[in-house]
Amino acid sequence: AQSVTQLGSHVSVSEGALVLLRCNYSSSVPPYLFWYVQYPNQGLQLLLKYTSAATLVKGINGFEAEFKKSETSFHLTKPSAHMSDAAEYFCAVSVPGFQKLVFGTGTRLLVSP
Amino acid sequence: EAQVTQNPRYLITVTGKKLTVTCSQNMNHEYMSWYRQDPGLGLRQIYYSMNVEVTDKGDVPEGYKVSRKEKRNFPLILESPSPNQTSLYFCASSVDRGSADTQYFGPGTRLTVL
Repeated sequence: AQSVTQLGSHVSVSEGALVLLRCNYSSSVPPYLFWYVQYPNQGLQLLLKYTSAATLVKGINGFEAEFKKSETSFHLTKPSAHMSDAAEYFCAVSVPGFQKLVFGTGTRLLVSP
Repeated sequence: EAQVTQNPRYLITVTGKKLTVTCSQNMNHEYMSWYRQDPGLGLRQIYYSMNVEVTDKGDVPEGYKVSRKEKRNFPLILESPSPNQTSLYFCASSVDRGSADTQYFGPGTRLTVL
C-alpha cells in the first residue's frame, strides 16, 4: 500500500526566506504525487501534482516540487516566503488504476515578518 | 462558479442523535468522497462513490453511512454519533476515478459530538 511521510509538523520561516517542506513516499509502483494547501477555515486546494511527465513541477503561487525517484521524495519549495503562504500543507499519493488518495499528516507553515 | 458545498459548516450535537451532512457539487463530477481530518492524522477517507448508486468504504467507515442517488449529491449520515466522531469533515469530488485527477474540496464541516 502507498503512503507518505511529511517531516516536521510545523515549519517556521521569515518573510523572504526559502520555504522547504519535506515529503517522502512509499509505493510499489510509480506513483502520482500531489501537494494540497489548506488556508485557515477553508477546504484544501491543489498546489501542484506530478503525473509522470516532467520531474520538476511548477504550481500556483510560486511553489514548485521535484520528483526524485532515487530518494523517494517530493519536497515542496518556494524561493521567497510571503505572509500569505501561512497555511497547512498536505502531501498526498495515489497509484495508477486506483482513485484512492492517501494523505500525509500535514505541515503547518508559519511565516514571521 | 464551480464548487463543492457542504452544510452545515458547524454542528454541535449530542451522542446518539442522528445527523446528516450534505455535500453537493455543480461540476458534473463522477467521483465523490468524504474525509475526516484530525490533528496529527491528516485526512482519512471515510467513503467514496464512483458514480450514482456506487459507493464503497474507505479507511475509516465505521459509524458512517452514505448514499449517492443523484450525481451531484453525496450526503454523509451518522446514525448514532459518538464523541470519537468529533472531527472536521470534508467532501471532495473529481471528474472521474482517474488516479491522477485533481480532487476539489468543500469548505469543511466542523462536528462536535457531546
